Amino acid sequence: SQTIHQWPATLVQPVGSPLSLECTVEGTSNPNLYWYRQAAGRGLQLLFYSVGIGQISSEVPQNLSASRPQDRQFILSSKKLLLSDSGFYLCAWSVEGAPGGNTIYFGEGSWLTVV
Amino acid sequence: QQQVKQSPQSLIVQKGGISIINCAYENTAFDYFPWYQQFPGKGPALLIAIRPDVSEKKEGRFTISFNKSAKQFSLHIMDSQPGDSATYFCAASGRGTYKYIFGTGTRLKVLA
Repeated sequence: SQTIHQWPATLVQPVGSPLSLECTVEGTSNPNLYWYRQAAGRGLQLLFYSVGIGQISSEVPQNLSASRPQDRQFILSSKKLLLSDSGFYLCAWSVEGAPGGNTIYFGEGSWLTVV
Repeated sequence: QQQVKQSPQSLIVQKGGISIINCAYENTAFDYFPWYQQFPGKGPALLIAIRPDVSEKKEGRFTISFNKSAKQFSLHIMDSQPGDSATYFCAASGRGTYKYIFGTGTRLKVLA
């Protein structure tokens, strides 16, 4: 079965510091990968998605970047964090042509607090 | 045209009651409509999904009703339980796209 791992689960970072959140998917190949952000008590904002290694699409201009160095690895980064980068970050995956449709499955999320 | 409008924003239901959450969309190219359930501090989990070729889909206490002509779909939770207290998101996606359009979420609280 497919699983998604996301880490770290929680982190507190000072303003201006770098960020790296990592996500890996197991049990499938060539997944579509996504990074979402959810502000406290708010909806889901798509930040980046990737349909293959090295292919990244950005949805919202911002202080963040994403990379996909391997088929099942997705990394969210920032060189200098802003207070507004605080939130709940969710990695997700989907597979084209799956029997249930192009269903998106989410990881457990990473809480980022920028202080 | 890419929006999915979800209502209500919050909902309080007595135990055993019916919880109803509604979503409306505009893009007729959408052909997949999932609902997600999210508990505090956790990632959203797929609850139930429907395609527009059927008007209703039921899984246990959860039912999606779909009205293609009105471009609306809703989630019904029968015999609501305190354990159903969570935030619910509707979503829509179209064939050949990789992205979901999510509703803004409904925070459900079921009173014991």
